[in-house]
Amino acid sequence: SQKIEQNSEALNIQEGKTATLTCNYTNYSPAYLQWYRQDPGRGPVFLLLIRENEKEKRKERLKVTFDTTLKQSLFHITASQPADSATYLCALDTDSGYALNFGKGTSLLVTP
Amino acid sequence: DGGITQSPKYLFRKEGQNVTLSCEQNLNHDAMYWYRQDPGQGLRLIYYSQIVNDFQKGDIAEGYSVSREKKESFPLTVTSAQKNPTAFYLCASSIVNEKLFFGSGTQLSVL
Repeated sequence: SQKIEQNSEALNIQEGKTATLTCNYTNYSPAYLQWYRQDPGRGPVFLLLIRENEKEKRKERLKVTFDTTLKQSLFHITASQPADSATYLCALDTDSGYALNFGKGTSLLVTP
Repeated sequence: DGGITQSPKYLFRKEGQNVTLSCEQNLNHDAMYWYRQDPGQGLRLIYYSQIVNDFQKGDIAEGYSVSREKKESFPLTVTSAQKNPTAFYLCASSIVNEKLFFGSGTQLSVL
């Protein structure tokens, strides 16, 4: 069966450090992978989309890599700030190609 | 303001009752989606619609129904057949195969 795995344990880092979150998947051949941020009691907010033919994508302090051989994406936040504390979700397109399946998310806590 | 609006924010269901969650968007998106989120869990797809008057079941459609009579609206009915309805429900819309825009969610609880 298809699986999307993200670190279930919360990630605690100090302000200013780089946070790295992992998304592994099995039994998928995704055309693209997306990352979202979710704050408690709110809907997820889109951050980045990376396509299968792209190795890396950047947006301000965010960087995403996509390795279709390892079936893994890494999400980096450089110079992290307490305001970056949230849950981060990765998502892959479903077999139909018309919707997304989401991982359970990784909680990030950035302390001053 | 352009966006996607869910209502109500909080909803309570009595035993045997059907309840309907509202989702409206003014982004002119063709695609709309309903997800369910349980505490500490990821989002699970209930239904999605790529075009007016057409929709498909997701992974957990049992006990739910939807309609898509207008491009802007995609209401979700939680029927009495859904035995464990307590969850946070999220509606989203998108241009097909692009990023999703989510509403602020509806928390459904059982009385």
